[in-house]
Amino acid sequence: GQNIDQPTEMTATEGAIVQINCTYQTSGFNGLFWYQQHAGEAPTFLSYNVLDGLEEKGRFSSFLSRSKGYSYLLLKELQMKDSASYLCAAVYGGATNKLIFGTGTLLAVQP
Amino acid sequence: NAGVTQTPKFRILKIGQSMTLQCTQDMNHNYMYWYRQDPGMGLKLIYYSVGAGITDKGEVPNGYNVSRSTTEDFPLRLELAAPSQTSVYFCASSYESPNTEAFFGQGTRLTVV
Repeated sequence: GQNIDQPTEMTATEGAIVQINCTYQTSGFNGLFWYQQHAGEAPTFLSYNVLDGLEEKGRFSSFLSRSKGYSYLLLKELQMKDSASYLCAAVYGGATNKLIFGTGTLLAVQP
Repeated sequence: NAGVTQTPKFRILKIGQSMTLQCTQDMNHNYMYWYRQDPGMGLKLIYYSVGAGITDKGEVPNGYNVSRSTTEDFPLRLELAAPSQTSVYFCASSYESPNTEAFFGQGTRLTVV
């Protein structure tokens, strides 16, 4: 299978910066997504990386290193509403591509 | 736009019963997926489809079946419900491939007792 690993939980303070790491198997890898999921809701898209480097979108940035099988999501100027699960998901190719999710990181933002 | 619509939102099944979870999308997306999410866990891929008439197994297909007779609809069938199938089920779709943003339905919360 395609193991995608993330920390289970993280805690950070309002206004601070937090980095959520994700590692994945590189064999067959075709791209990486980050999704946000608030409790009881569906996941929503945050970012997509297919090439090495940093993609910045407002307070959120995502980084990818294909050779290392590593990505991170960087959240700046944390707000209370950023308390949610952050899901790393990788696209794996073959006969047909498929989107595989990690277990998710539950982020708690404290005042 | 409706996006991805799942029905029902909630369901309680008895062990051994069968049911179909409905999923429809109005975005003309080729790719559709079914995931399950157990409490405090990530999403596990059950089945996916790259287009009408084509389906394939994901990570956890046992106990489930799917069909894709049209671009819009991708129903998930549970034939003999078991307590291990208690979960939240999400349907999702993406336009050309999994390398494009996936849009999710609001989920079906299924309890098997």
